[in-house]
Amino acid sequence: DTGVSQDPRHKITKRGQNVTFRCDPISEHNRLYWYRQTLGQGPEFLTYFQNEAQLEKSRLLSDRFSAERPKGSFSTLEIQRTEQGDSAMYLCASSRSGSAQFFGPGTRLTVL
Amino acid sequence: AQSVTQLDSQVPVFEEAPVELRCNYSSSVSVYLFWYVQYPNQGLQLLLKYLSGSTLVESINGFEAEFNKSQTSFHLRKPSVHISDTAEYFCAVSDASGGSYIPTFGRGTSLIVHP
Repeated sequence: DTGVSQDPRHKITKRGQNVTFRCDPISEHNRLYWYRQTLGQGPEFLTYFQNEAQLEKSRLLSDRFSAERPKGSFSTLEIQRTEQGDSAMYLCASSRSGSAQFFGPGTRLTVL
Repeated sequence: AQSVTQLDSQVPVFEEAPVELRCNYSSSVSVYLFWYVQYPNQGLQLLLKYLSGSTLVESINGFEAEFNKSQTSFHLRKPSVHISDTAEYFCAVSDASGGSYIPTFGRGTSLIVHP
C-alpha cells in the first residue's frame, strides 16, 4: 500500500496525559500537513512541513502541540497535557509541491 | 486569506436523480479549487481539482465541477447519483500565487442517496 498511513487509528486518553500520533506519507511526497477535524466541520490546518522543515503553523496550534519530521519522511504530532477540547480527528496529508494533497485515514482522539 | 461556504449542510436525493452541491469561495488572489469526498469511517479522497485551463473538470466516477470566476463558485454536479455516492463532500480553496498551497475547507455537505 503506497497511501498515507496514520497510527494509531483511535486513541482514548485521560485529561492531562500526553499523546503522540504518527504519520507516514507517500514516499515521494516532500510536503506533509497536519489537520484537525471536529464533528460537522471541515479539516482545519494545523501545520505543514516541506522535507524536514516546519514552514507554517496555525494559530490553532497552541504551545501544548508540537510536530516533528526529523528525516523528512514520517512525522509525529504530540499533544501535551491533553484537554477535553482536544478531542477530534487528527488528519495527516502529503503532497508534492504545488499539487493536491492525499489524506490518511486519521487518528481519532478521545480525551476523557 | 480565503474562505469557503458550502451552502447546504445536507442534501437528500433519490437514486438516479441529478444532484448539485454548492460551493462559493472568497479570495483576493488567484485560486486552486478542490472537491474531496469522505466516505463513512474513511479519510478524505480527492474527487477533482481545478488548477488552470478548462473551467469544467471531471472525475472518473461521473462528477463534474465548473469554476465560475465571476460568481466565485465551484459547484459539484452529477447527472445521476448512486447509493454508493452517499458521503460527506468538502469543497476547498488554496492560494495559487503563494508557496504553501494550504487549502481552506468548507464545513462539508452530507449527500444522502435514498433508494
